[in-house]
Amino acid sequence: DADVTQTPRNRITKTGKRIMLECSQTKGHDRMYWYRQDPGLGLQLIYYSFDVKDINKGEISDGYSVSRQAQAKFSLSLESAIPNQTALYFCATGGSYYEQYFGPGTRLTVT
Amino acid sequence: RKEVEQDPGPFNVPEGATVAFNCTYSNSASQSFFWYRQDCRKEPKLLMSVYSSGNEDGRFTAQLNRASQYISLLIRDSKLSDSATYLCVVNSGTSYGKLTFGQGTILTVHP
Repeated sequence: DADVTQTPRNRITKTGKRIMLECSQTKGHDRMYWYRQDPGLGLQLIYYSFDVKDINKGEISDGYSVSRQAQAKFSLSLESAIPNQTALYFCATGGSYYEQYFGPGTRLTVT
Repeated sequence: RKEVEQDPGPFNVPEGATVAFNCTYSNSASQSFFWYRQDCRKEPKLLMSVYSSGNEDGRFTAQLNRASQYISLLIRDSKLSDSATYLCVVNSGTSYGKLTFGQGTILTVHP
């Protein structure tokens, strides 16, 4: 079984809808991250959490919110989706030496 | 200046060739360095960490030059399966556990 899982894997939604992307991990890591990747661009950090009680904004947090329900779960919400939030979203966990391990990604399309 | 800069390529090489990728970073306080591999539409996967003394993993060799703030990845005896985007990744140095990703170098290995 994969160490970092994301659901859904693909989602098409309409402008203005609220959507939640979920991430679960079995690696036992305290640190978790949400990134987005646009075609031809690098990874941009949306939010990160160093433990259940510690959540921080990343470079592009506007329009997004997160919830760290447990050590193993970190959810990303788009409160009112807009077309320029169409992207590939990755969740990641942080290991002991600052390396990160990524989930398989969620492909989100906002029409 | 971008925090992490890579030559985007693409690099097109025949099987068996040796290819080298370079990366520069701007934050002299950075302490951890990595190379990740990303296949099209897939998640980034940790290829190797980069240590000051240089390190090797099979056909892959990574080097770090802290004075020049420069990282390299050498791939020997290229395989078709090496075709991917290679991401140079550096920890921020100022915030525990945050990584900065380069935009990636595209490698295509052809028969």
